[in-house]
Amino acid sequence: SQTIHQWPATLVQPVGSPLSLECTVEGTSNPNLYWYRQAAGRGLQLLFYSVGIGQISSEVPQNLSASRPQDRQFILSSKKLLLSDSGFYLCAWSVRPRLGVLNTEAFFGQGTRLTVV
Amino acid sequence: AQTVTQSQPEMSVQEAETVTLSCTYDTSESDYYLFWYKQPPSRQMILVIRQEAYKQQNATENRFSVNFQKAAKSFSLKISDSQLGDAAMYFCAYRSAGYGGSQGNLIFGKGTKLSVKP
Repeated sequence: SQTIHQWPATLVQPVGSPLSLECTVEGTSNPNLYWYRQAAGRGLQLLFYSVGIGQISSEVPQNLSASRPQDRQFILSSKKLLLSDSGFYLCAWSVRPRLGVLNTEAFFGQGTRLTVV
Repeated sequence: AQTVTQSQPEMSVQEAETVTLSCTYDTSESDYYLFWYKQPPSRQMILVIRQEAYKQQNATENRFSVNFQKAAKSFSLKISDSQLGDAAMYFCAYRSAGYGGSQGNLIFGKGTKLSVKP
């Protein structure tokens, strides 16, 4: 069965420090991968998605970047954190949409609560 | 661009009663998918139910059912026989049925916080 791992679960970082959140998926290949941010009272905002190794699309201009060095690994990074980067970050995967594929939902990791101080 | 609106920030229901959460969406596409996700206090996102737009029959999963009105672009979730464990944030989400680029992405509403009273 497929599983998704995201770490760390919680993180407190000072302003101006770097960030690296990691997400890995097991039990599937060629997934679509996503990073979402959930701010209080604002639902889930898609930050980045990836349809393959090295292929990253950004949905929202910001202080963050993403990378996909391996098929099932997705990393969210920042060189210098801002206070506004605080929030709950969720990694997710889905089967890559293609003809005949009926699985359409996204599966989420446990999330990382990031507090920038 | 597609949008999803959940007009009820908070809802409350008595245990064993029925509650309906509302969701409307805006799209020019004819084929798409709709979802309800549950996020309990643990923050883990859990899929509750899924509806394919080309299906006229409303999806059901045990105590959870939807009322899908395609013409009205409405997708409400009904929870029957509410249980304490149903207390959570509920998110409505939309996904295009296409195959390319960003069409696999989910677009979420802002959520409805459901409380269940014993």
